Amino acid sequence: DAGITQSPRHKVTETGTPVTLRCHQTENHRYMYWYRQDPGHGLRLIHYSYGVKDTDKGEVSDGYSVSRSKTEDFLLTLESATSSQTSVYFCAISESSETQYFGPGTRLLVL
Amino acid sequence: GDSVTQMEGPVTLSEEAFLTINCTYTATGYPSLFWYVQYPGEGLQLLLKATKADDKGSNKGFEATYRKETTSFHLEKGSVQVSDSAVYFCALTANTGNQFYFGTGTSLTVIP
Repeated sequence: DAGITQSPRHKVTETGTPVTLRCHQTENHRYMYWYRQDPGHGLRLIHYSYGVKDTDKGEVSDGYSVSRSKTEDFLLTLESATSSQTSVYFCAISESSETQYFGPGTRLLVL
Repeated sequence: GDSVTQMEGPVTLSEEAFLTINCTYTATGYPSLFWYVQYPGEGLQLLLKATKADDKGSNKGFEATYRKETTSFHLEKGSVQVSDSAVYFCALTANTGNQFYFGTGTSLTVIP
């Protein structure tokens, strides 16, 4: 299994508060991704990174920001959490276009 | 743009039944195609992949063939087991910008 961890694994927060999710990899892969998974929508890309300090927006980036200051860490921040951001968030990594490897997920509930 | 369409679920089968989950794609260029599986409470795991036309990916008794003429990558298994109960995702990457595109997932339940 690829070495990917996500923290926290579960979080409950209140509307309007900032939230940061962390993805950490030990594989030294170049690309890192944040997805959200919701019933009926499958996985939707939020942001991705193609190197340290190099990031780009995905399909559903509004309300989210990311940072990658080191190869191994990719942070996702919900600037002001809303109930519509209640979801399961997955981090993924890849070295090439061949395969993505996924973390275990973070369940976020925004009340 | 690039996209994947897979059959709606949920799918319920009896043990030892034949499984087909349909997947079709739209992409520019020559994408690589993937099937991922997600067991309850877990992240997605790569099940199989194919990187060029007519390639067949296979793993754990599952197979899928990359059909360029029909833009399809259907997942098949000859005899499903209860342990195959999971959600299956078809995905592609078109090798441009390293973005991956996923289908909405098909939930499979296998009953004894």
